Amino acid sequence: SQQGEEDPQALSIQEGENATMNCSYKTSINNLQWYRQNSGRGLVHLILIRSNEREKHSGRLRVTLDTSKKSSSLLITASRAADTASYFCATDGGGSEKLVFGKGTKLTVNP
Amino acid sequence: DADVTQTPRNRITKTGKRIMLECSQTKGHDRMYWYRQDPGLGLRLIYYSFDVKDINKGEISDGYSVSRQAQAKFSLSLESAIPNQTALYFCATRDPKVNEQFFGPGTRLTVL
Repeated sequence: SQQGEEDPQALSIQEGENATMNCSYKTSINNLQWYRQNSGRGLVHLILIRSNEREKHSGRLRVTLDTSKKSSSLLITASRAADTASYFCATDGGGSEKLVFGKGTKLTVNP
Repeated sequence: DADVTQTPRNRITKTGKRIMLECSQTKGHDRMYWYRQDPGLGLRLIYYSFDVKDINKGEISDGYSVSRQAQAKFSLSLESAIPNQTALYFCATRDPKVNEQFFGPGTRLTVL
């Protein structure tokens, strides 16, 4: 069964606005990752946050992790049309060599 | 050149046919993975391999088989394709030092 669940399923915003996507998971983790997928293409790794970290930044990306609530959020600031893509969270299930992906949030940034 | 390549990129086949999807990587990673993606769903793990002698079933291995011919090559076979195997298939490698997975461009498979 899939561990990560993103919310919302779809998000449409205007260029320049911030986009926030949430991910909930079920079991303990060592780390949580966020990936981006442009339509029909392979996933690209964006950022990894470890279970002992609460917040991490990378450029316009900000990820938070709340292990007590088993949830994470991805914030994209000052969005651009090029940010239009699907975003997936993935968890490692507490040390497994495997990643379990959520169903993704489809983000549309309108020019 | 792409680090993870998949062939073919698109394939249309008929029910009952045997299909092989191939994946090659130049990243030097031991870990390789096969996923399938269905519309509106995330990725589901089919098989994964830690080296040529270590093959493991994933979440949805029924109807699929794999072969790790070398560290750089990991093939996925559908012995007798059925329509509900129509999906987008991705190969990935993993860098254990940073836990990041690197994905190929995908193979779009349609089974009629």
